[in-house]
Amino acid sequence: GEDVEQSLFLSVREGDSSVINCTYTDSSSTYLYWYKQEPGAGLQLLTYIFSNMDMKQDQRLTVLLNKKDKHLSLRIADTQTGDSAIYFCAESNAPSGGYQKVTFGIGTKLQVIP
Amino acid sequence: DAGVIQSPRHEVTEMGQEVTLRCKPISGHDYLFWYRQTMMRGLELLIYFNNNVPIDDSGMPEDRFSAKMPNASFSTLKIQPSEPRDSAVYFCASRRTSGAAQYFGPGTRLTVL
Repeated sequence: GEDVEQSLFLSVREGDSSVINCTYTDSSSTYLYWYKQEPGAGLQLLTYIFSNMDMKQDQRLTVLLNKKDKHLSLRIADTQTGDSAIYFCAESNAPSGGYQKVTFGIGTKLQVIP
Repeated sequence: DAGVIQSPRHEVTEMGQEVTLRCKPISGHDYLFWYRQTMMRGLELLIYFNNNVPIDDSGMPEDRFSAKMPNASFSTLKIQPSEPRDSAVYFCASRRTSGAAQYFGPGTRLTVL
């Protein structure tokens, strides 16, 4: 079945860039997502990328997709203490308009050191 | 937009009691999902609805779990009887048919003693 893998933990200093990596196995993935979960809160959609794109930028966030290697990354520029959270990578294997099975990774805990 | 609303936010109950979790999806969203999150198993999809109809409940752990969606703006997840191993955070999410992503509620943290 589909699988999404990501490292469990990342620690960076405030002001540095953070890069969170993810690999997935489903070659028919259509959308890839990054969600952020702060303590005691739900998953907040940060951004998503369609599988025919290789990059998407949104303010401090840059998503890179290497479809050949099935590798997705999230870069956070000028990381702030408020970015400390768990980041989930996810993929779906169906286009919008129909049933969309989403497979989530285990989450990467980002710790920002002041 | 109010986002997905869940209640209660926290629930503490004793083993054997019935627990009912509630969800109001985002208006206009016609898919609704129930997930469970634990440290050991991560995020698991329990069941999802399309236009109020249950489509796939293969993730529901056992017959003690049931879910309903009587109308487009309300869904419940019921556990009867509850057991300590049901302790987890339960999330509801919704999505528009034409949308690309699911939007999550704040979750209900369930503790079964």
